[in-house]
Amino acid sequence: EVVLTQSPGTLSLSPGERATLSCRASQSVSSSHLAWYQQKPGQAPRLLIYAASSRAAGITDRFSGSGSETDFTLTISRLEPEDFAVYYCQQYGSSLWTFGQGTRVEIK
Amino acid sequence: QIQLQQSGPGLVKPSQTLSLTCAISGDSVSSNTAAWNWIRQSPSRGLEWLGRTYYRSKWFYDYAVSLRGRITVNADTSKNQFSLQLNSVTPEDTAVYYCARGGVSFDLWGRGTLVTVSS
Repeated sequence: EVVLTQSPGTLSLSPGERATLSCRASQSVSSSHLAWYQQKPGQAPRLLIYAASSRAAGITDRFSGSGSETDFTLTISRLEPEDFAVYYCQQYGSSLWTFGQGTRVEIK
Repeated sequence: QIQLQQSGPGLVKPSQTLSLTCAISGDSVSSNTAAWNWIRQSPSRGLEWLGRTYYRSKWFYDYAVSLRGRITVNADTSKNQFSLQLNSVTPEDTAVYYCARGGVSFDLWGRGTLVTVSS
């Protein structure tokens, strides 16, 4: 099973700042099988990025994804008030889906 | 608008069976391009994929290794919905359960059902 480790656990930033979130895999992951989600309190996760760098439908271009093999990054270029939430990475391989433990982006 | 509507009890007694249903509107459970999943979330285990079903000329099923023997996912084409059954539940199965559409990633989610396992 591929273990995804996200860092940092919490990111304290101000609106307008840039957020950089990391997701490290315990073994190589196909780039086409890496996704990012945003979750707000009381809501289901929402798909932001799939295939490591493709934005899901309706997602603003303030969100971008990059990376390959074991190191992936989600970048939020300029934080808006609605971006403060928890973010998860997720991978698929060999009929197994695993999620990272999440990074909380909070208002500084 | 495509939606997933979840239903089922929020309280299940230990050793009993957890049963949830996810009704699909705007898509088909028999779609040849979609897969229908169950995922749960708890503070102790985080987000955990449980199982899925999908139709590609016949029905296929995949389950998390840790739950094999306890879990069943089924599709009901007459009602355009799919279901989750988890047998012999314990308090560790307490979680928010989500249904979701997707193969590699999950682009559509239900609103979630908090299921508490307690006597």
